[in-house]
Amino acid sequence: KAGVTQTPRYLIKTRGQQVTLSCSPISGHRSVSWYQQTPGQGLQFLFEYFSETQRNKGNFPGRFSGRQFSNSRSEMNVSTLELGDSALYLCASQRGLTDTQYFGPGTRLTVL
Amino acid sequence: GDSVTQMEGPVTLSEEAFLTINCTYTATGYPSLFWYVQYPGEGLQLLLKATKADDKGSNKGFEATYRKETTSFHLEKGSVQVSDSAVYFCALSSGSNYQLIWGAGTKLIIKP
Repeated sequence: KAGVTQTPRYLIKTRGQQVTLSCSPISGHRSVSWYQQTPGQGLQFLFEYFSETQRNKGNFPGRFSGRQFSNSRSEMNVSTLELGDSALYLCASQRGLTDTQYFGPGTRLTVL
Repeated sequence: GDSVTQMEGPVTLSEEAFLTINCTYTATGYPSLFWYVQYPGEGLQLLLKATKADDKGSNKGFEATYRKETTSFHLEKGSVQVSDSAVYFCALSSGSNYQLIWGAGTKLIIKP
């Protein structure tokens, strides 16, 4: 069974640009969560989608947004990039809301 | 609110040593508890979990027991290998939204 896949694996952007990251969950998984990981702040929850609806949202500015498609694939978008947005962005999928989360390898975003 | 506290790292051990990484939690209700591991340059992998008091999760020689009386979920391994070098995260899931609450992570370094 294929795991969670994230594309691209690495991105370099400049301040002010926008970026879209993609996540394909494990087949059959309907929930997708996104996390930001930085050395200073650790793992921080961004948002969770279930059946195309945002169910939970972390404490991030409105520049961070996401969506989920009918096939459960999810994208997150960051607009007007700032240097502090440089991080590893992790996606996790789960079958149902109470099931274990399985993580993808992450997208490493560098903002110059 | 709910929280997870892990021992600070890095933890440095010699190969074949006994490992303990402490994790304590604060939660209302009856959370599920998890240990995830992150190898260098990779995403998080579920190592083990426990869903109720006195449950023992185990995988790859690692064990952790859900202790409700001490609100702890310490990770142990009898004989570590160099390949166990990674960052270990303790997490809990509880509440109506089942969102994962993360510890700060403990970096483990095993020297040959």
